[in-house]
Amino acid sequence: ELKVEQNPLFLSMQEGKNYTIYCNYSTTSDRLYWYRQDPGKSLESLFVLLSNGAVKQEGRLMASLDTKARLSTLHITAAVHDLSATYFCAVDITTSGSRLTFGEGTQLTVNP
Amino acid sequence: NAGVTQTPKFQVLKTGQSMTLQCAQDMNHNSMYWYRQDPGMGLRLIYYSASEGTTDKGEVPNGYNVSRLNKREFSLRLESAAPSQTSVYFCATYRGGGWTEAFFGQGTRLTVV
Repeated sequence: ELKVEQNPLFLSMQEGKNYTIYCNYSTTSDRLYWYRQDPGKSLESLFVLLSNGAVKQEGRLMASLDTKARLSTLHITAAVHDLSATYFCAVDITTSGSRLTFGEGTQLTVNP
Repeated sequence: NAGVTQTPKFQVLKTGQSMTLQCAQDMNHNSMYWYRQDPGMGLRLIYYSASEGTTDKGEVPNGYNVSRLNKREFSLRLESAAPSQTSVYFCATYRGGGWTEAFFGQGTRLTVV
């Protein structure tokens, strides 16, 4: 059974600081996704990582994937209040993309 | 272009009542999913449909049934609602092929009293 674990589950940080969210998974996969969810809202896709060593960046967020270590990271650079949200990683171990398994989510609060 | 549309957005049921959650997509995607989201547990897959005419159980299927009515629509039915089914339900679609992400509806907040 695939397990996906995020660390930390809660993160409170000051504006301007850097931090990393970790996503570990238990079964070999080369497809990992990061989503953002604002309170009371749906999930918004942030990154799709499809191979070992994949790195993607959008604004102050950068995601990477190490399939050998079964680890993905979401790095936040110089955090701003607008990044406050819950971030989920999700792993797909099928060939058809029909079985996403989500982590528990990391609730990020960026304080002014 | 609405993407993924769920109805209703909110619902309160009494224990034992039944209801159907509707999901429709205009993205021409093959795969559709139903997830439930509970605090501290991420999203858990209830049922999915890899293509029109097929459905399969996910991680937490007990107490639910689904129908893939056509390529656009995928409904989730609670035959006899229980308080443990109080949750936020999300429908999602996925084009397939392993190269794109899933797209989510706005969610249905269901409370069973």
